[in-house]
Amino acid sequence: EDQVTQSPEALRLQEGESSSLNCSYTVSGLRGLFWYRQDPGKGPEFLFTLYSAGEEKEKERLKATLTKKESFLHITAPKPEDSATYLCAPLGAGGTSYGKLTFGQGTILTVHP
Amino acid sequence: GAGVSQSPSNKVTEKGKDVELRCDPISGHTALYWYRQSLGQGLEFLIYFQGNSAPDKSGLPSDRFSAERTGGSVSTLTIQRTQQEDSAVYLCASSFQSGNTIYFGEGSWLTVV
Repeated sequence: EDQVTQSPEALRLQEGESSSLNCSYTVSGLRGLFWYRQDPGKGPEFLFTLYSAGEEKEKERLKATLTKKESFLHITAPKPEDSATYLCAPLGAGGTSYGKLTFGQGTILTVHP
Repeated sequence: GAGVSQSPSNKVTEKGKDVELRCDPISGHTALYWYRQSLGQGLEFLIYFQGNSAPDKSGLPSDRFSAERTGGSVSTLTIQRTQQEDSAVYLCASSFQSGNTIYFGEGSWLTVV
């Protein structure tokens, strides 16, 4: 069964203080990994898709990277508006679960001004 | 439509009543997903459709839960004889095909009293 672990569970940063969030996974036949941002009371908002180890993608202050066993979401010089829960979801290969995304529990990021 | 549309956005129902939640996916998306998120919890997979068929129903919590999709478009999630533990946000998502990036709606907030 696919497993996903995100760490830390919660992260409090000062504005401008860079850090990284981790997503480690056990997935048979990884076909991709997705990162989402979720604000309170909202549905998850798509950020990135990574398809292969070594791939990196950037958007504003966020950069996502992927290895064979984990993914990192790096946040550079965060602002209070970056405060949200960040979710990762690897997509595995097989069978009837072909389309099923297993989400991690998320990292709650709070950025203080 | 421009995004995934869900209705109702909020529903308060009495224990034992049946409820129907509706999802209208992004136009042209063939895959449709239902997830559940309880307060402070992660996303729990319920079911996904490719076209009108459901290859994976493994996440439906009990036989009180059912879902259907007609015309390869709108989907309805039905919960019969609701219980208080059914209180949660029910999130619908869609993707162009299964395995592609999935996009979420804002959710239907269900409260069973």
